[in-house]
Amino acid sequence: GNSVTQMEGPVTLSEEAFLTINCTYTATGYPSLFWYVQYPGEGLQLLLKATKADDKGSNKGFEATYRKETTSFHLEKGSVQVSDSAVYFCALSGGTGGFKTIFGAGTRLFVKA
Amino acid sequence: DTAVSQTPKYLVTQMGNDKSIKCEQNLGHDTMYWYKQDSKKFLKIMFSYNNKELIINETVPNRFSPKSPDKAHLNLHINSLELGDSAVYFCASSQGDRASPLHFGNGTRLTVT
Repeated sequence: GNSVTQMEGPVTLSEEAFLTINCTYTATGYPSLFWYVQYPGEGLQLLLKATKADDKGSNKGFEATYRKETTSFHLEKGSVQVSDSAVYFCALSGGTGGFKTIFGAGTRLFVKA
Repeated sequence: DTAVSQTPKYLVTQMGNDKSIKCEQNLGHDTMYWYKQDSKKFLKIMFSYNNKELIINETVPNRFSPKSPDKAHLNLHINSLELGDSAVYFCASSQGDRASPLHFGNGTRLTVT
């Protein structure tokens, strides 16, 4: 079945540092890939998505490219801010799993001033 | 103008009790979900309804029973609560295809004592 693996956290960075959170997936067919962000006490919000190979999703300075050859969808941001501190989830929908969305384990990011 | 709202936000109850969580969405989506998030932030799908019909029923104890009176509402009833049911329960909705992201409520934190 489908699965998503993302790097364990927590990740601690200083403000303005470069961020990478790795995500790899296992799926047959053509899944869509997503990054969601969860702030304390809130539900998950869509950060960005990509629906086919080589698509790049981007939002609020974050970006991720759908790489079918390496089955990856790594999240990057060039300069993080304290307000980016949150838990980030990589997710997958489609392929043999139908439209059901499955999530990685989440990566907590702390950004220090 | 909240898109997905669930009530209550907090629920503290004793073992053996029965409780319900309510969810409503005003996005016009046909598909709604219940997810469970454990203390390590891991998210697992429990149920999904499409236009009032149950379409996903993961391996969940039958003490959990979802009910969808119409496509804008999905409630979760839990009988005979156990300590292990303590978690945050999220309602979500989507357009129900693989490319459509999930829209989450802010969660209900259930504590069973």
